Amino acid sequence: RKEVEQDPGPFNVPEGATVAFNCTYSNSASQSFFWYRQDCRKEPKLLMSVYSSGNEDGRFTAQLNRASQYISLLIRDSKLSDSATYLCVVILYRGGFKTIFGAGTRLFVKA
Amino acid sequence: DGGITQSPKYLFRKEGQNVTLSCEQNLNHDAMYWYRQDPGQGLRLIYYSQIVNDFQKGDIAEGYSVSREKKESFPLTVTSAQKNPTAFYLCASSSQQGDNSPLHFGNGTRLTVT
Repeated sequence: RKEVEQDPGPFNVPEGATVAFNCTYSNSASQSFFWYRQDCRKEPKLLMSVYSSGNEDGRFTAQLNRASQYISLLIRDSKLSDSATYLCVVILYRGGFKTIFGAGTRLFVKA
Repeated sequence: DGGITQSPKYLFRKEGQNVTLSCEQNLNHDAMYWYRQDPGQGLRLIYYSQIVNDFQKGDIAEGYSVSREKKESFPLTVTSAQKNPTAFYLCASSSQQGDNSPLHFGNGTRLTVT
């Protein structure tokens, strides 16, 4: 079983739609959580951190459920420019901090 | 502006040749990393370095070598021993390996070996 698992998608949604991605992690020693965005043939860029209380940044909302070991990303009012791959990232402590990347969920927003 | 610079953006080599990918950062970050990304797959860690003159193997270090002679620089050499070197290589840095701060990436080098 992978340490961080994401639905690869693709998710195909119309402009203006609300879309949600989930990510599960297997190691309860996971300490920090992030969502990254990666455009085609580009580097990943930090989208937002994920806090236990949940956090929002404009149209993006991130949630963490430690009991069930998953994090989520909600995108409201999708824009064409939101089309990208979204990577779930977990930092866990295992004799030192280690960053684990999910394989990503692809999103296509269409006009 | 502070950032991480990788060069070149595209690199083509013949099989059997060693090639060195450059990574420079001016973020004053202590920790630097090299990842490899293959189509449709997640990032895999090749090597990382917490401080100057120290580096550790990641999950897929075979066929690669690194050096960390300066804080700002962490070059990666892809040797002829690497069986499948064609990939997208990403360099990253974080403020400190010993904490849980997120990684910041360079814009990547796409290596093609024929």
